[in-house]
Amino acid sequence: DTAVSQTPKYLVTQMGNDKSIKCEQNLGHDTMYWYKQDSKKFLKIMFSYNNKELIINETVPNRFSPKSPDKAHLNLHINSLELGDSAVYFCASSQDWQLLSYNEQFFGPGTRLTVL
Amino acid sequence: SQKIEQNSEALNIQEGKTATLTCNYTNYSPAYLQWYRQDPGRGPVFLLLIRENEKEKRKERLKVTFDTTLKQSLFHITASQPADSATYLCALGRGGATNKLIFGTGTLLAVQP
Repeated sequence: DTAVSQTPKYLVTQMGNDKSIKCEQNLGHDTMYWYKQDSKKFLKIMFSYNNKELIINETVPNRFSPKSPDKAHLNLHINSLELGDSAVYFCASSQDWQLLSYNEQFFGPGTRLTVL
Repeated sequence: SQKIEQNSEALNIQEGKTATLTCNYTNYSPAYLQWYRQDPGRGPVFLLLIRENEKEKRKERLKVTFDTTLKQSLFHITASQPADSATYLCALGRGGATNKLIFGTGTLLAVQP
């Protein structure tokens, strides 16, 4: 059973398009996250949601809009894609964002986004 | 602003030796630290967690230390194997209203048979 799944695995699109990435976790966790990993492998948090409520928004352009229909799902919609958005996007979950000193995060397999 | 740095170069070691990876931080006071392993084309996988009041944690061949005076964590893999080859990431957090993980730059470990 996959704990954290993302679709699609690869996404190739033109500048200016709008795209979405979906994420689901079956771990019963309360908190979900989106991370961006750039070409230098630097992993940076973008958003976190706890029980469908936004907890962290790391000064991400408002072209990026996360949506959490329920606590098992956190989707990422990106408007007007730019070349600089090319990266690998990881979804993750943890039991509770306030318990990271006791619990780990579980990451999905990643979505490689290429903007042409 | 806070800075988290890991071994800047890839680390190459011989099978059977102990690999030691470093995680140094500045302008930051973490309450806890986590280590993850990332294989090519995959998401990070959790390995170990250590809190500021703990000096050392072990799990099988893995050991992590946390020195808040030196502002450093060391991650050791004893009796290393080629299967240990991967990128290792340290991640720091300090709790509070915006509790989150801040990841280091990662260290690529290559264990030669």
